[in-house]
Amino acid sequence: EAGVTQFPSHSVIEKGQTVTLRCDPISGHDNLYWYRRVMGKEIKFLLHFVKESKQDESGMPNNRFLAERTGGTYSTLKVQPAELEDSGVYFCASSRSYRNNEQFFGPGTRLTVL
Amino acid sequence: SQQGEEDPQALSIQEGENATMNCSYKTSINNLQWYRQNSGRGLVHLILIRSNEREKHSGRLRVTLDTSKKSSSLLITASRAADTASYFCATVIQGAQKLVFGQGTRLTINP
Repeated sequence: EAGVTQFPSHSVIEKGQTVTLRCDPISGHDNLYWYRRVMGKEIKFLLHFVKESKQDESGMPNNRFLAERTGGTYSTLKVQPAELEDSGVYFCASSRSYRNNEQFFGPGTRLTVL
Repeated sequence: SQQGEEDPQALSIQEGENATMNCSYKTSINNLQWYRQNSGRGLVHLILIRSNEREKHSGRLRVTLDTSKKSSSLLITASRAADTASYFCATVIQGAQKLVFGQGTRLTINP
Protein backbone atom coordinates (compact mmCIF):
# COMPACT_ATOMS: atom_id res chain seq x y z
CA GLU A 1 0.00 0.00 0.00
CA ALA A 2 1.14 3.57 -0.60
CA GLY A 3 2.57 5.32 2.42
CA VAL A 4 1.79 8.67 3.92
CA THR A 5 2.70 11.45 1.55
CA GLN A 6 3.34 15.09 2.27
CA PHE A 7 3.60 18.11 0.05
CA PRO A 8 5.71 20.10 -0.38
CA SER A 9 8.91 18.48 0.79
CA HIS A 10 10.47 21.89 1.35
CA SER A 11 9.06 25.38 1.66
CA VAL A 12 10.94 28.62 2.12
CA ILE A 13 8.83 31.68 2.86
CA GLU A 14 9.27 35.10 4.39
CA LYS A 15 7.95 36.13 7.74
CA GLY A 16 4.34 37.23 7.45
CA GLN A 17 3.54 35.03 4.47
CA THR A 18 1.13 32.13 4.44
CA VAL A 19 2.02 28.50 3.84
CA THR A 20 -0.22 25.47 3.48
CA LEU A 21 1.10 21.98 4.04
CA ARG A 22 -0.71 18.93 2.80
CA CYS A 23 -0.81 15.38 4.06
CA ASP A 24 -2.33 12.35 2.37
CA PRO A 25 -2.69 9.49 4.84
CA ILE A 26 -2.66 5.82 4.04
CA SER A 27 -5.98 4.85 2.50
CA GLY A 28 -8.42 3.60 5.09
CA HIS A 29 -6.65 5.18 8.05
CA ASP A 30 -9.17 7.14 10.08
CA ASN A 31 -6.58 8.68 12.36
CA LEU A 32 -4.34 11.47 11.13
CA TYR A 33 -1.78 13.29 13.23
CA TRP A 34 0.42 16.34 12.77
CA TYR A 35 3.73 16.68 14.57
CA ARG A 36 6.62 19.09 14.18
CA ARG A 37 10.25 19.24 15.10
CA VAL A 38 11.73 22.63 15.68
CA MET A 39 15.50 22.77 15.31
CA GLY A 40 17.30 21.17 18.21
CA LYS A 41 14.15 20.12 20.02
CA GLU A 42 12.07 17.01 20.25
CA ILE A 43 9.26 16.05 17.92
CA LYS A 44 6.06 17.47 19.33
CA PHE A 45 2.45 16.59 18.76
CA LEU A 46 0.24 19.23 17.19
CA LEU A 47 -3.16 17.64 16.66
CA HIS A 48 -5.11 14.49 15.91
CA PHE A 49 -8.03 13.94 13.56
CA VAL A 50 -10.40 11.03 13.64
CA LYS A 51 -11.90 11.11 10.19
CA GLU A 52 -12.86 14.76 9.72
CA SER A 53 -13.17 15.61 13.42
CA LYS A 54 -10.46 17.14 15.58
CA GLN A 55 -9.98 14.67 18.41
CA ASP A 56 -7.14 16.46 20.17
CA GLU A 57 -5.66 19.80 19.24
CA SER A 58 -3.86 20.43 22.49
CA GLY A 59 -0.49 20.77 20.76
CA MET A 60 -1.40 23.56 18.38
CA PRO A 61 0.89 26.43 19.36
CA ASN A 62 -1.42 29.36 18.61
CA ASN A 63 -4.22 30.58 16.39
CA ARG A 64 -1.87 31.20 13.47
CA PHE A 65 -2.11 27.48 12.82
CA LEU A 66 -5.23 26.03 11.21
CA ALA A 67 -5.66 22.37 10.38
CA GLU A 68 -8.47 20.90 8.33
CA ARG A 69 -9.45 17.48 7.10
CA THR A 70 -12.49 17.97 4.94
CA GLY A 71 -14.14 14.70 3.99
CA GLY A 72 -11.89 12.76 6.30
CA THR A 73 -9.26 12.09 3.65
CA TYR A 74 -6.28 14.40 3.19
CA SER A 75 -5.43 17.14 5.64
CA THR A 76 -3.97 20.61 5.34
CA LEU A 77 -2.08 22.63 7.89
CA LYS A 78 -2.01 26.35 7.24
CA VAL A 79 0.29 28.77 8.97
CA GLN A 80 -0.84 32.39 8.64
CA PRO A 81 1.07 34.60 9.15
CA ALA A 82 4.27 32.63 9.47
CA GLU A 83 6.84 33.64 12.07
CA LEU A 84 10.53 32.80 12.33
CA GLU A 85 9.94 30.33 15.16
CA ASP A 86 7.65 28.27 12.94
CA SER A 87 10.66 26.95 11.05
CA GLY A 88 11.12 23.23 11.41
CA VAL A 89 10.02 19.92 9.99
CA TYR A 90 6.32 19.14 10.00
CA PHE A 91 5.42 15.47 10.04
CA CYS A 92 2.12 13.85 9.33
CA ALA A 93 1.21 10.36 10.47
CA SER A 94 -1.77 8.09 10.12
CA SER A 95 -3.05 5.00 11.83
CA ARG A 96 -5.99 2.63 11.71
CA SER A 97 -9.03 3.06 13.89
CA TYR A 98 -8.10 0.81 16.78
CA ARG A 99 -6.06 1.87 19.77
CA ASN A 100 -2.47 1.05 20.63
CA ASN A 101 -1.46 0.76 17.03
CA GLU A 102 1.57 2.07 15.26
CA GLN A 103 1.54 5.37 13.46
CA PHE A 104 2.96 5.54 9.94
CA PHE A 105 4.84 8.72 9.23
CA GLY A 106 5.30 10.72 6.09
CA PRO A 107 8.66 12.13 5.02
CA GLY A 108 7.89 15.53 6.47
CA THR A 109 7.81 19.05 5.12
CA ARG A 110 10.80 21.21 5.96
CA LEU A 111 9.57 24.76 6.51
CA THR A 112 11.99 27.65 6.61
CA VAL A 113 10.71 31.08 7.53
CA LEU A 114 13.13 33.90 6.72
CA SER B 1 8.40 18.93 30.34
CA GLN B 2 9.05 16.23 27.82
CA GLN B 3 7.82 12.74 28.46
CA GLY B 4 10.77 10.87 27.03
CA GLU B 5 14.44 11.39 27.55
CA GLU B 6 17.01 9.39 25.68
CA ASP B 7 20.47 8.39 26.55
CA PRO B 8 22.99 8.77 25.08
CA GLN B 9 22.32 11.73 22.81
CA ALA B 10 24.96 10.45 20.42
CA LEU B 11 26.61 7.07 20.01
CA SER B 12 29.40 6.07 17.66
CA ILE B 13 30.46 2.42 17.32
CA GLN B 14 32.24 0.12 14.91
CA GLU B 15 30.33 -1.99 12.45
CA GLY B 16 29.51 -5.36 13.92
CA GLU B 17 29.28 -4.11 17.49
CA ASN B 18 26.04 -3.89 19.43
CA ALA B 19 24.36 -0.55 20.09
CA THR B 20 22.21 0.13 23.12
CA MET B 21 20.01 3.16 23.54
CA ASN B 22 17.93 3.99 26.57
CA CYS B 23 14.74 5.92 27.07
CA SER B 24 13.05 7.12 30.23
CA TYR B 25 9.59 8.54 30.61
CA LYS B 26 7.51 10.12 33.31
CA THR B 27 3.86 9.04 33.24
CA SER B 28 1.90 5.81 32.89
CA ILE B 29 1.81 4.56 29.34
CA ASN B 30 -0.21 2.28 27.08
CA ASN B 31 2.76 1.41 24.94
CA LEU B 32 6.20 2.56 23.93
CA GLN B 33 7.43 2.67 20.36
CA TRP B 34 10.82 3.09 18.76
CA TYR B 35 11.31 4.93 15.51
CA ARG B 36 14.28 5.49 13.22
CA GLN B 37 14.93 8.53 11.10
CA ASN B 38 17.52 8.52 8.39
CA SER B 39 18.88 11.91 7.45
CA GLY B 40 16.27 13.92 5.58
CA ARG B 41 13.73 11.15 5.65
CA GLY B 42 10.57 10.44 7.58
CA LEU B 43 10.21 8.38 10.71
CA VAL B 44 10.18 4.63 10.28
CA HIS B 45 8.40 2.54 12.89
CA LEU B 46 10.67 -0.14 14.32
CA ILE B 47 8.87 -1.83 17.14
CA LEU B 48 6.03 -1.38 19.62
CA ILE B 49 6.04 -2.81 23.13
CA ARG B 50 2.91 -2.74 25.24
CA SER B 51 2.87 -1.80 28.89
CA ASN B 52 2.24 -5.40 29.93
CA GLU B 53 5.20 -6.70 27.94
CA ARG B 54 8.77 -6.81 29.21
CA GLU B 55 10.76 -7.74 26.15
CA LYS B 56 10.24 -7.93 22.44
CA HIS B 57 12.39 -8.97 19.50
CA SER B 58 12.32 -8.08 15.83
CA GLY B 59 15.20 -9.28 13.73
CA ARG B 60 18.35 -7.65 15.11
CA LEU B 61 16.32 -5.44 17.43
CA ARG B 62 15.60 -6.18 21.06
CA VAL B 63 13.46 -3.87 23.15
CA THR B 64 12.94 -4.07 26.88
CA LEU B 65 10.45 -2.22 29.01
CA ASP B 66 10.59 -1.71 32.76
CA THR B 67 7.43 0.04 33.85
CA SER B 68 8.57 0.17 37.47
CA LYS B 69 11.56 2.24 36.44
CA LYS B 70 9.70 3.92 33.59
CA SER B 71 12.45 3.05 31.18
CA SER B 72 13.07 1.18 27.95
CA SER B 73 16.11 0.13 26.00
CA LEU B 74 16.68 -0.61 22.34
CA LEU B 75 19.48 -3.00 21.45
CA ILE B 76 20.68 -3.33 17.88
CA THR B 77 22.91 -6.36 17.48
CA ALA B 78 25.60 -6.83 14.85
CA SER B 79 25.32 -3.24 13.69
CA ARG B 80 25.66 -2.28 10.04
CA ALA B 81 26.54 0.97 8.32
CA ALA B 82 22.92 1.23 7.20
CA ASP B 83 21.85 1.45 10.85
CA THR B 84 23.33 4.94 10.99
CA ALA B 85 20.36 7.15 11.84
CA SER B 86 18.59 8.92 14.66
CA TYR B 87 16.53 6.73 16.94
CA PHE B 88 13.54 8.00 18.90
CA CYS B 89 11.45 6.48 21.59
CA ALA B 90 7.84 7.59 21.79
CA THR B 91 5.24 6.82 24.38
CA VAL B 92 1.49 6.65 24.14
CA ILE B 93 0.23 7.79 27.50
CA GLN B 94 -2.90 6.36 29.03
CA GLY B 95 -6.06 8.01 27.80
CA ALA B 96 -4.50 9.46 24.69
CA GLN B 97 -3.40 8.38 21.24
CA LYS B 98 -0.72 10.96 20.53
CA LEU B 99 2.94 10.03 20.60
CA VAL B 100 5.26 11.83 22.99
CA PHE B 101 8.82 11.71 21.70
CA GLY B 102 12.21 11.86 23.29
CA GLN B 103 14.97 13.98 21.77
CA GLY B 104 16.53 10.98 20.13
CA THR B 105 19.89 9.27 19.94
CA ARG B 106 22.11 9.92 16.95
CA LEU B 107 23.75 6.58 16.11
CA THR B 108 26.77 6.43 13.83
CA ILE B 109 28.15 3.10 12.66
CA ASN B 110 31.73 3.34 11.49
CA PRO B 111 32.89 0.89 8.81
